[in-house]
Amino acid sequence: AQSVSQHNHHVILSEAASLELGCNYSYGGTVNLFWYVQYPGQHLQLLLKYFSGDPLVKGIKGFEAEFIKSKFSFNLRKPSVQWSDTAEYFCATYRDDKIIFGKGTRLHILP
Amino acid sequence: DGGITQSPKYLFRKEGQNVTLSCEQNLNHDAMYWYRQDPGQGLRLIYYSQIVNDFQKGDIAEGYSVSREKKESFPLTVTSAQKNPTAFYLCASSIVGTDYGYTFGSGTRLTVV
Repeated sequence: AQSVSQHNHHVILSEAASLELGCNYSYGGTVNLFWYVQYPGQHLQLLLKYFSGDPLVKGIKGFEAEFIKSKFSFNLRKPSVQWSDTAEYFCATYRDDKIIFGKGTRLHILP
Repeated sequence: DGGITQSPKYLFRKEGQNVTLSCEQNLNHDAMYWYRQDPGQGLRLIYYSQIVNDFQKGDIAEGYSVSREKKESFPLTVTSAQKNPTAFYLCASSIVGTDYGYTFGSGTRLTVV
């Protein structure tokens, strides 16, 4: 069954640093992948999603992710982070009519 | 505005008591979901429903029960059989199908003392 794993549980960066959060998926047929973000005290919201087509997906707030089939990866990137990017980030996949989430990566940006 | 409303935001209960968490949506979504969020464990699926009067167990359904009598409502009962009920509970809804993500509620933090 398809699932995702996030290897970085806690990441600390300074403002303006580049960001890459890892996500690997296990193959299970059709691949549907998401990145969600949970800012402190706020709802989970969708950052971006990939179902097919261009493997480089652009999302909100300057985030992007690249689907690399040969590496089973869907890493989230941002060229220059801001303090307001402090949040928890979840990679997720669609399986059997429901979304399965990774364990999350807590990102802390130092001002 | 359309969205999902979870109430209450904070809930305290004594050990051994059942408690029901409310989730209401006005998005006309067919599917609704309950997740439990614990630090370092991500979101784990408790129950989900794709149509009124029908629901399925998720990965951690033991100690929980749900009902789906109306399209708009999907309440979750945390029973006394749930061994570790203190957690943050999130409700979500979606249009059935793979092309849509979820809309999430703001969550209920349950503390059992």
